Amino acid sequence: GEDVEQSLFLSVREGDSSVINCTYTDSSSTYLYWYKQEPGAGLQLLTYIFSNMDMKQDQRLTVLLNKKDKHLSLRIADTQTGDSAIYFCAESPDNNNDMRFGAGTRLTVKP
Amino acid sequence: DAGITQSPRYKITETGRQVTLMCHQTWSHSYMFWYRQDLGHGLRLIYYSAAADITDKGEVPDGYVVSRSKTENFPLTLESATRSQTSVYFCASSTSGGYNEQFFGPGTRLTVL
Repeated sequence: GEDVEQSLFLSVREGDSSVINCTYTDSSSTYLYWYKQEPGAGLQLLTYIFSNMDMKQDQRLTVLLNKKDKHLSLRIADTQTGDSAIYFCAESPDNNNDMRFGAGTRLTVKP
Repeated sequence: DAGITQSPRYKITETGRQVTLMCHQTWSHSYMFWYRQDLGHGLRLIYYSAAADITDKGEVPDGYVVSRSKTENFPLTLESATRSQTSVYFCASSTSGGYNEQFFGPGTRLTVL
């Protein structure tokens, strides 16, 4: 996971926007992902972005990709207490056997 | 139940013992993976399998053995458990192809005393 870096903690107020940042190192990565892990559970795919895209929006989620800086971000609009979880950034070239995860960002949403 | 399941969910063992963690998926996915999750390290790949009878090492394979005689099962064995193998273990599966969403099991929390 050391090739993908994320800050470990983020705390926001309910209703605010959350922005979780990630940097990666492999410029050949074809897909970049955001996974969510709720307490006591496995990871679930939230969204992904293909490397030829700059932005992807899906309801409250906005993913921004800056390939030049190898920077990926996830913005959650109108953050709710149910969004409290650990968010993992992951990168992958175009195959199934080499997905690299960051250490995860623990998002805490305060009422 | 459909999906991907792991057993046991919790396991406590002693140093030197052999432990097997089970993973079962009902989707007939080709690929299966074992990860360990440790604080500050995210998920690290232990082993993966592209199909039945095909397995390969990931980032941290030492001390682990896998097998895949059937597509739906992918057990992970710790041949002689060590304290450093205390971790949460996740199994995942995916179809082949470029868009490779991995579906994760609920995890097994293993403690080696």
